[in-house]
Amino acid sequence: AQSVTQPDIHITVSEGASLELRCNYSYGATPYLFWYVQSPGQGLQLLLKYFSGDTLVQGIKGFEAEFKRSQSSFNLRKPSVHWSDAAEYFCAGMTTDSWGKFQFGAGTQVVVTP
Amino acid sequence: DVKVTQSSRYLVKRTGEKVFLECVQDMDHENMFWYRQDPGLGLRLIYFSYDVKMKEKGDIPEGYSVSREKKERFSLILESASTNQTSMYLCASSLSGARDTEAFFGQGTRLTVV
Repeated sequence: AQSVTQPDIHITVSEGASLELRCNYSYGATPYLFWYVQSPGQGLQLLLKYFSGDTLVQGIKGFEAEFKRSQSSFNLRKPSVHWSDAAEYFCAGMTTDSWGKFQFGAGTQVVVTP
Repeated sequence: DVKVTQSSRYLVKRTGEKVFLECVQDMDHENMFWYRQDPGLGLRLIYFSYDVKMKEKGDIPEGYSVSREKKERFSLILESASTNQTSMYLCASSLSGARDTEAFFGQGTRLTVV
């Protein structure tokens, strides 16, 4: 079955430290992959997306993600975390044979400590 | 900017009531979605519509129905609300068949069934 998995439910990171959030996918073909962020009480905002080409994708708010076909992964990274990055992060995937049906991981809650 | 508007941020309904959640998008998107968000489960697709009057069941359609009479509006209906439908409901829209697509989300409706 097609799926997206986020192995980490909760991550705590110090302000100024680096952050990496894991995402693994299981699709027959190369999927389109997305990272979204949700601040408390808000809807989801797109951070970045990958369709093809360069496997290192730059997004908003200083985030980047790397598509690794060999590891079926699309991990999200930020070199230096700010307190405002505390939020829930969702990885999502879609394939061309299921247009529009975005599948979401369970989410990773990020807590930023001073 | 794309705007997806959900009619209510918070709703409290009684068990057995018929509940309507409304969603409107202003970017002429073909696809519209209703997701349910619960802690630890991520976003689960309830229903998906790819055109006016067209719909597909998602992963958890039981207890829900939808209506799409106009392209910009997608309604989620709880025919007889139950306490296990207490949740956050998120509406989204996207372009159909576009390689460079993404899902745009509304702010969410937090529904409590008592």
